[in-house]
Amino acid sequence: AQSVTQLDSHVSVSEGTPVLLRCNYSSSYSPSLFWYVQHPNKGLQLLLKYTSAATLVKGINGFEAEFKKSETSFHLTKPSAHMSDAAEYFCVAPDSGTYKYIFGTGTRLKVLA
Amino acid sequence: EPEVTQTPSHQVTQMGQEVILRCVPISNHLYFYWYRQILGQKVEFLVSFYNNEISEKSEIFDDQFSVERPDGSNFTLKIRSTKLEDSAMYFCASTVQRGTEAFFGQGTRLTVV
Repeated sequence: AQSVTQLDSHVSVSEGTPVLLRCNYSSSYSPSLFWYVQHPNKGLQLLLKYTSAATLVKGINGFEAEFKKSETSFHLTKPSAHMSDAAEYFCVAPDSGTYKYIFGTGTRLKVLA
Repeated sequence: EPEVTQTPSHQVTQMGQEVILRCVPISNHLYFYWYRQILGQKVEFLVSFYNNEISEKSEIFDDQFSVERPDGSNFTLKIRSTKLEDSAMYFCASTVQRGTEAFFGQGTRLTVV
């Protein structure tokens, strides 16, 4: 079964500085991978997706992620954090051979003024 | 842009009562899901539904839970006899194919008192 690990439960950055949210996956093949964002008291919004077409994926709001098979990683980055980026971020993968999606435990991003 | 809609956004119910959470998936999607997120905890898979039947369910999805697609557009989650520990945010999701990006609704916050 697929598993997804988000290495940091909380990340704090200053406004205008880069953001790095880490995600590692375990799979014997190149999976599909997704990043979702959840703002307080809101639903889950798709930020970006990797589906093997290109290893560097650009998403909404200036976020991007790079799929690195050698490191089994799919880290989310943004060059310059904005206050509105404060939210919880989930790395998600479809589970191979099943009908469910596996969620990482989430990373809460705090942006300091 | 098409979206998944959930109603109600909030529901408060007394322990032991039945609740029905409603979802309207995106119209051309074929796979449907319910997830829940207890406050401060990870997002948990409950059930997936395809071709008018449950395709997979988790250990959480016991006999007090049921799902139905009564009319080709709505997708409902019924909790027969609610418990305090059922208090959570419940998310509905749909996908066009297995393994593609999941579109989530805004969630229903269920509070059992």
